[in-house]
Amino acid sequence: GNSVTQMEGPVTLSEEAFLTINCTYTATGYPSLFWYVQYPGEGLQLLLKATKADDKGSNKGFEATYRKETTSFHLEKGSVQVSDSAVYFCALGWDNNDMRFGAGTRLTVKP
Amino acid sequence: DVKVTQSSRYLVKRTGEKVFLECVQDMDHENMFWYRQDPGLGLRLIYFSYDVKMKEKGDIPEGYSVSREKKERFSLILESASTNQTSMYLCASSLEGSFSYEQYFGPGTRLTVT
Repeated sequence: GNSVTQMEGPVTLSEEAFLTINCTYTATGYPSLFWYVQYPGEGLQLLLKATKADDKGSNKGFEATYRKETTSFHLEKGSVQVSDSAVYFCALGWDNNDMRFGAGTRLTVKP
Repeated sequence: DVKVTQSSRYLVKRTGEKVFLECVQDMDHENMFWYRQDPGLGLRLIYFSYDVKMKEKGDIPEGYSVSREKKERFSLILESASTNQTSMYLCASSLEGSFSYEQYFGPGTRLTVT
């Protein structure tokens, strides 16, 4: 069946460190891939998305590439800031009304 | 900006009570969703609606019902609250009918059932 596996957290980094949060999936068909971010006390908001293989989504210095051959959509940022502290969710969505979220990865960035 | 609002940020109810969670979106979106968020489990879809008076079950509909009488409003109903329904509830909406489009989320309602 369709599923999303996300890197377990929590992840703690120092400011300006490089970030990678792994996301792999099993899927039938051709889902769109998303990264959502949840800041403390708020709902989720879209960080970036990719709709087909080899697409790269990017926003606010974050990037992720839709890798069909490795079924992955890893989130990366070259230099994290304290304000990036949040919970990050990888998600897949299909046209047939199926949606899967990963368990979430909590990131804490220390000054 | 799209705005999705939820009626309460925090709610405490007793076992057996009927609970209503309200969600309103202001961007004329077709689709609306209810999720619950639990640590280690991510988000799980309870119900969604693709039109007024239309609803579809998600992955975990047991113990819940929904109502969509107006396009902008989607209500989640716990007919008889139980302690295992203690959770964070998130409402979302999206413009298009497909799940391959971005969803816009409300701030969530943290429900505690005692």
